[in-house]
Amino acid sequence: QKEVEQDPGPLSVPEGAIVSLNCTYSNSAFQYFMWYRQYSRKGPELLMYTYSSGNKEDGRFTAQVDKSSKYISLFIRDSQPSDSATYLCAMKGNKLVFGAGTILRVKS
Amino acid sequence: NAGVTQTPKFQVLKTGQSMTLQCAQDMNHEYMSWYRQDPGMGLRLIHYSVGAGITDQGEVPNGYNVSRSTTEDFPLRLLSAAPSQTSVYFCASSYDAGTISTGELFFGEGSRLTVL
Repeated sequence: QKEVEQDPGPLSVPEGAIVSLNCTYSNSAFQYFMWYRQYSRKGPELLMYTYSSGNKEDGRFTAQVDKSSKYISLFIRDSQPSDSATYLCAMKGNKLVFGAGTILRVKS
Repeated sequence: NAGVTQTPKFQVLKTGQSMTLQCAQDMNHEYMSWYRQDPGMGLRLIHYSVGAGITDQGEVPNGYNVSRSTTEDFPLRLLSAAPSQTSVYFCASSYDAGTISTGELFFGEGSRLTVL
């Protein structure tokens, strides 16, 4: 069983929709939770990170961590075609572990 | 500010050949690392370095060597290429132990390697 599970998608939504991307994990030692965005043929770039449980908002993006359920989410409001990318979750305890990524397609 | 620069972007090798993937960063980052990305799998750590002259193995180090003679450069050497090493390779850096402790990495654009 993988330490971090992420649905590969693709997730296809119309422009303006609210997008929910999710990861589950099994390692209780994870304390830092991150979302990276990766455009096609590019390297990942850090989008957001949160420490422990709770919500963090940055513009149209909200990251949510529920440590009791071992579940993290990234919400994108008013999604745009430019949000089309692969979204990788990542978690850090004594090591950094990445999810395999979810492909998001926002159609105009 | 170029960030993390990787060369080459594409490479095709035959089984048994050796080559070096280059990585350079101009952000004065202490920490540098190499990952490989394969379909359906998360990024996997190959080797990393916490400073010049210091390297250590990651999750999947077999078949790869690294060295860190300067703060800026961190080349990855494939000793004898195998088809299982066909992958996209990413170099990533982080400022110091503080930012790496939170998992904040700056990635290059990747080097796509095919081994026939």
